[in-house]
Amino acid sequence: DTGVSQNPRHKITKRGQNVTFRCDPISEHNRLYWYRQTLGQGPEFLTYFQNEAQLEKSRLLSDRFSAERPKGSFSTLEIQRTEQGDSAMYLCASSLGDRAEAFFGQGTRLTVV
Amino acid sequence: AQSVTQPDIHITVSEGASLELRCNYSYGATPYLFWYVQSPGQGLQLLLKYFSGDTLVQGIKGFEAEFKRSQSSFNLRKPSVHWSDAAEYFCAVGLILTGGGNKLTFGTGTQLKVEL
Repeated sequence: DTGVSQNPRHKITKRGQNVTFRCDPISEHNRLYWYRQTLGQGPEFLTYFQNEAQLEKSRLLSDRFSAERPKGSFSTLEIQRTEQGDSAMYLCASSLGDRAEAFFGQGTRLTVV
Repeated sequence: AQSVTQPDIHITVSEGASLELRCNYSYGATPYLFWYVQSPGQGLQLLLKYFSGDTLVQGIKGFEAEFKRSQSSFNLRKPSVHWSDAAEYFCAVGLILTGGGNKLTFGTGTQLKVEL
């Protein structure tokens, strides 16, 4: 069990560019979550997958954000036309079983300049 | 909607002293409650959780928390703090989603500093 893996760990991009982050959950975990954490705040829920189905999306997830989990294993989070307000730590988590606790990755820190 | 309040933004304690971090939640039903710890540049590590049953729950690293429904609180405690406990601590309440997933709402965190 290698834990939840996120790549890249850091990303610096220019405003207006598109970025994509990858999350590899703990093997066999069927539930996957994305959260966003800004400086001085707790993480905020973005979206949730059960296997390959995206079952919940926060209103924080604007049209510029899209997440996929095509085969029910790894997931990607894409941000199009990045804005400075998108600068944050993007955290991925996974869990197995109903009501189970989530295990978090180390996150991808995005800086939009 | 559920919410979590952590009233203390920063706390400083001496190594060996006891610790209590406060957490108050707002939730309409029986809550699922969690404490996570985050070290600089790292993800979140689960310390402990409360789903039901005994209101005093034990976690890793010598931490414990007590669920008090009457006070809507879930305070985290440790009898003797170690320098390595310096980190940011987050309390969270979980909302069960379609399909059994767990959507966490976090507080703003408490930054713990340990003086040697």
